[in-house]
Amino acid sequence: KNEVEQSPQNLTAQEGEFITINCSYSVGISALHWLQQHPGGGIVSLFMLSSGKKKHGRLIATINIQEKHSSLHITASHPRDSAVYICALGSNYQLIWGAGTKLIIKP
Amino acid sequence: DADVTQTPRNRITKTGKRIMLECSQTKGHDRMYWYRQDPGLGLRLIYYSFDVKDINKGEISDGYSVSRQAQAKFSLSLESAIPNQTALYFCATSDESGTDYGYTFGSGTRLTVV
Repeated sequence: KNEVEQSPQNLTAQEGEFITINCSYSVGISALHWLQQHPGGGIVSLFMLSSGKKKHGRLIATINIQEKHSSLHITASHPRDSAVYICALGSNYQLIWGAGTKLIIKP
Repeated sequence: DADVTQTPRNRITKTGKRIMLECSQTKGHDRMYWYRQDPGLGLRLIYYSFDVKDINKGEISDGYSVSRQAQAKFSLSLESAIPNQTALYFCATSDESGTDYGYTFGSGTRLTVV
């Protein structure tokens, strides 16, 4: 069993829809990271969470430590949100990467 | 200027050649990392450094070496490149104390070994 699992693997939605990507993990962590990888390959860190909820613009990330589960939400989705979204578990020196969710937002 | 700058952005080299990928940062972070990404896969850690005198192997360090010339500079070398080292390479930094974002990545170096 993988230490971190994301769902769905692929998601296609219409512009304006509310998007949810889920991440479940099975090990203890110091923090959970959400990252975005653009089609061109660049990687951007979106959030680092150790508890609760964080919000940046249209993006919201939540984590439930007891249930070992995190969600990334995108409100009012836009075609420029199309990317691969990656959940990664933070330990002392490395990130344990999820497989990623490929999101396509159609106009 | 980008917070984390990688050079070159793209490189094609021949089998057996020595090649160096360079990374510099203006974040002031002590921690720096080199990752490799193969198509359709997640990133794998090659080497990491917590400060200039602290360099550690990651999960796939064979065939690679690194140099931490200064807090801001962390170079990755392929001593004798081989085709299965063809990949996208990322340098990253992180702040020990933690921030809202955690990690900052360079734009990546796309390396092809022929």
